[in-house]
Amino acid sequence: GNSVTQMEGPVTLSEEAFLTINCTYTATGYPSLFWYVQYPGEGLQLLLKATKADDKGSNKGFEATYRKETTSFHLEKGSVQVSDSAVYFCALSDRDETSGSRLTFGEGTQLTVNP
Amino acid sequence: KAGVTQTPRYLIKTRGQQVTLSCSPISGHRSVSWYQQTPGQGLQFLFEYFSETQRNKGNFPGRFSGRQFSNSRSEMNVSTLELGDSALYLCASSPPSSTQYFGPGTRLTVL
Repeated sequence: GNSVTQMEGPVTLSEEAFLTINCTYTATGYPSLFWYVQYPGEGLQLLLKATKADDKGSNKGFEATYRKETTSFHLEKGSVQVSDSAVYFCALSDRDETSGSRLTFGEGTQLTVNP
Repeated sequence: KAGVTQTPRYLIKTRGQQVTLSCSPISGHRSVSWYQQTPGQGLQFLFEYFSETQRNKGNFPGRFSGRQFSNSRSEMNVSTLELGDSALYLCASSPPSSTQYFGPGTRLTVL
């Protein structure tokens, strides 16, 4: 079956530091890959996505590249801000119109950015 | 467009009771999925509905059920509540086989 593994947290950084959150996956087909972010007391917000190998998703200074050869989708940001403090989830979705698009999530990584 | 809405936002029930949660998808989205989020198990897929039919189901007991109406709104029901059912229940809507957009969730506490 499908699975997603994220680097263990929590991660604590100073403002303007470089961020990397590792994500690797196991899937039988050619999944789409996503990063979602969850702020305290809220649902999940889509941060970025990539639908095929070598695609780069980007949003709000965050980037992730779909690497099929290493089955990875690591999240990076060059300079984090206090407002980036949240829980980040890596997820994959099989693209199958008959069975739907269920998401398989990683464990989540708590990021805290200190001023 | 308005986002995914879920009602109620918070709910407290006692063991043995049943509960119904509601989800209104983004206008035009016909697929609705439900997820359970707990500190111990993380985010787990419950089921997906498309055009009033359950298209996909996760590994949860039969106490968890759902349905979808002709306007794509969906409800989730949990019968005979257990303490372990305490969780954040998230609903997501999407066009078929596309990106899922989540609502704010319903926080269920079972006492």
